[in-house]
Amino acid sequence: GAGVSQSPSNKVTEKGKDVELRCDPISGHTALYWYRQSLGQGLEFLIYFQGNSAPDKSGLPSDRFSAERTGGSVSTLTIQRTQQEDSAVYLCASSFYSGGEYFGPGTRLLVL
Amino acid sequence: GENVEQHPSTLSVQEGDSAVIKCTYSDSASNYFPWYKQELGKRPQLIIDIRSNVGEKKDQRIAVTLNKTAKHFSLHITETQPEDSAVYFCAASKGGSYIPTFGRGTSLIVHP
Repeated sequence: GAGVSQSPSNKVTEKGKDVELRCDPISGHTALYWYRQSLGQGLEFLIYFQGNSAPDKSGLPSDRFSAERTGGSVSTLTIQRTQQEDSAVYLCASSFYSGGEYFGPGTRLLVL
Repeated sequence: GENVEQHPSTLSVQEGDSAVIKCTYSDSASNYFPWYKQELGKRPQLIIDIRSNVGEKKDQRIAVTLNKTAKHFSLHITETQPEDSAVYFCAASKGGSYIPTFGRGTSLIVHP
């Protein structure tokens, strides 16, 4: 079946602009995660959605970052007033209630 | 909260040798331990996982062991091949609505 998909695959933007990153999880997966990975670094947790529960936003680095998940499926991560330090690969993952995560291909964000 | 330590950060082996990567965790309530492989420029992929009700799990050349008393788990790769070269991440989770905690990653280099 189809895996996790993300769009766009690459995004170049100017400092101060807003960006939206999209994630389509695997159908039926109840949990959805957003991570950020800088070059050569580990996975930095950003936000977690589980079913209809309130999202866990504890990893968001600032109030410029927000995310929503509509209808328990597609999720959008929004970064407002982008800064150069926001440049990274943004990875989305989904899982069943208590299983391992399946990652999307990521969106490479470059803020000039 | 949970804390996961992963060692070594870099591991260099000759083709055909075995490789072992170790992780320790702090929260005794953690009960699910997945391992991910991330090749250069690609997404992390779940390669094997173990739950706290078993001590060992094997899948062809890879195996994972879990010692709940000592709170550590290890990834074993036998007969390593150049295509095993990647960054490997361990994680610990309490399952359900809990966010997994990732280790910092191990860069495995297999020399032909």
